[in-house]
Amino acid sequence: SQLAEENSWALSVHEGESVTVNCSYKTSITALQWYRQKSGKGPAQLILIRSNEREKRNGRLRATLDTSSQSSSLSITATRCEDTAVYFCATDADTGYQNFYFGKGTSLTVIP
Amino acid sequence: EAGVTQSPRYAVLQEGQAVSFWCDPISGHDTLYWYQQPRDQGPQLLVYFRDEAVIDNSQLPSDRFSAVRPKGTNSTLKIQSAKQGDTATYLCASRRDSAETLYFGSGTRLTVL
Repeated sequence: SQLAEENSWALSVHEGESVTVNCSYKTSITALQWYRQKSGKGPAQLILIRSNEREKRNGRLRATLDTSSQSSSLSITATRCEDTAVYFCATDADTGYQNFYFGKGTSLTVIP
Repeated sequence: EAGVTQSPRYAVLQEGQAVSFWCDPISGHDTLYWYQQPRDQGPQLLVYFRDEAVIDNSQLPSDRFSAVRPKGTNSTLKIQSAKQGDTATYLCASRRDSAETLYFGSGTRLTVL
């Protein structure tokens, strides 16, 4: 069974709009990471948020973490066409960053 | 700094054939992972190494899959007798043991006919 899971299969927005991808997870964690995978490439880390943090920002990206509800969100503001990709959340399931368990991903399309 | 390099980029085989995938991690990264990513799914861990030692291979189908990292640098993942269900992208990733970020290669896309 999935230890981490995004709650949308696919999303589409128009360029310039904001979008949020949500994730739920099933175990305690050391940290949760958000990755982006573009077509034909491997995933690339966007943000890491530790279990004692509630929010983390990286440019136009903002991640939140709620350990009480075991959920996280990734928001992208002022979307661009190049944000079109699959977004994954991944947890280490409290292994201290040893194993990383990915969700199935949310496919985001940014329409010009 | 060069990224994680994988080869080949694509492989197409008939059921029952064998195939090997090769990975060259980022220099200095002691931990190396192999993931299987079926179409429209997230990466699923198969095996990971610290230096040359296998740390976790519990998700590796041991009857047909094998993985080695003999000198603690490059790694090879081999499928002995491929099945159609093995069709997926095989991703290699590496990190320094003290670090939190995984760096992925572009993967090998395997199709088993």
